[in-house]
Amino acid sequence: KNEVEQSPQNLTAQEGEFITINCSYSVGISALHWLQQHPGGGIVSLFMLSSGKKKHGRLIATINIQEKHSSLHITASHPRDSAVYICAVRSSQGAQKLVFGQGTRLTINP
Amino acid sequence: EAQVTQNPRYLITVTGKKLTVTCSQNMNHEYMSWYRQDPGLGLRQIYYSMNVEVTDKGDVPEGYKVSRKEKRNFPLILESPSPNQTSLYFCASSLKSTRVHEQYFGPGTRLTVT
Repeated sequence: KNEVEQSPQNLTAQEGEFITINCSYSVGISALHWLQQHPGGGIVSLFMLSSGKKKHGRLIATINIQEKHSSLHITASHPRDSAVYICAVRSSQGAQKLVFGQGTRLTINP
Repeated sequence: EAQVTQNPRYLITVTGKKLTVTCSQNMNHEYMSWYRQDPGLGLRQIYYSMNVEVTDKGDVPEGYKVSRKEKRNFPLILESPSPNQTSLYFCASSLKSTRVHEQYFGPGTRLTVT
């Protein structure tokens, strides 16, 4: 079983829908990152969080440390949100290593 | 502009021909790391560096070497590339090694070994 599991693996929705991507992890962590990878391949960091909730524009990320679970929400989705979203955790064991989920491929149709 | 750069962006090479992928950051970051991304396997760490002259193995270091002689540069060296090293490679950096900071990724290098 992977240390970081994302669901769903693939998600197709219509423009304007509310999107939720989930991330569950099995190790103690010091931080969780949400990354976005566009079809061109580049990776952009969206959020880094260790507790609570963060919001940036139409994107919201939440984390529940007790349940070892995080969610990424997109409100009023748009075709330009189509990308792969990757959850990554940093172990609390002190290593700088990031452990990545498999990614969720999101497609927003107009 | 703050950025992580990688060169080359695309490379096709043959088995056994030594190659180097360069990575450079202009943000005075302590921590730098190399990852490879493969379909179905996601991103995996190859090597990382906590500071100049301090490097350590990640999850998949076999067949790779790195060096960190200057703070800004962290080249990835494939001494004798093999087809199973065909992959998409990312370099990343973050401000401090001993605290959690956002990671900045380079644009990626797509390597094909025939």
